[in-house]
Amino acid sequence: GAVVSQHPSRVICKSGTSVKIECRSLDFQATTMFWYRQFPKQSLMLMATSNEGSKATYEQGVEKDKFLINHASLTLSTLTVTSAHPEDSSFYICSARVGDGETQYFGPGTRLLVL
Amino acid sequence: QKEVEQNSGPLSVPEGAIASLNCTYSDRGSQSFFWYRQYSGKSPELIMSIYSNGDKEDGRFTAQLNKASQYVSLLIRDSQPSDSATYLCAVNPGGGADGLTFGKGTHLIIQP
Repeated sequence: GAVVSQHPSRVICKSGTSVKIECRSLDFQATTMFWYRQFPKQSLMLMATSNEGSKATYEQGVEKDKFLINHASLTLSTLTVTSAHPEDSSFYICSARVGDGETQYFGPGTRLLVL
Repeated sequence: QKEVEQNSGPLSVPEGAIASLNCTYSDRGSQSFFWYRQYSGKSPELIMSIYSNGDKEDGRFTAQLNKASQYVSLLIRDSQPSDSATYLCAVNPGGGADGLTFGKGTHLIIQP
């Protein structure tokens, strides 16, 4: 099946710093990738849709200036959490669509802890 | 607000029995439906997708879709302790390039 990787798997940072998370499709090209966030005991919430070569589309309530998304190639999307605060601590998970299909394959996730 | 509802559980099932997981969704126009399994601390992994009314079987798993009732279910036959996890129902409201709307998940426990 399709393999999606994320890096780093875990990050701890101080409040006010920025953190970059990478999402890569390893064995396929992904024109569309998605970023989700999951708080403890909650479900996954879609943050934004990332399309290669164009601006990301953000869900209502997600600050585009705080969560910067770049999808510079068909195999890489990055999420940068700018000026992170403790309330941004969460499990960030990316997914990628294979071709024109609707199935999404998820990366292993990045656990962010902001102190 | 497009919603996906699941009973959070926990749902406890004896080993070897059938586990039945249910999900309802609010957007009648939804076209694509997915079941994911999520182990604690891990990201979701795809179990099944279903697009048409009726049943779809894959090994020990059977997904059932009833669009008229806006209802999706997952049956797990011959349940194993390794099936213990949280099962997430996800809906693609618009189809195509849309992101998924997830339910909160049902915590399933298979008792040895």
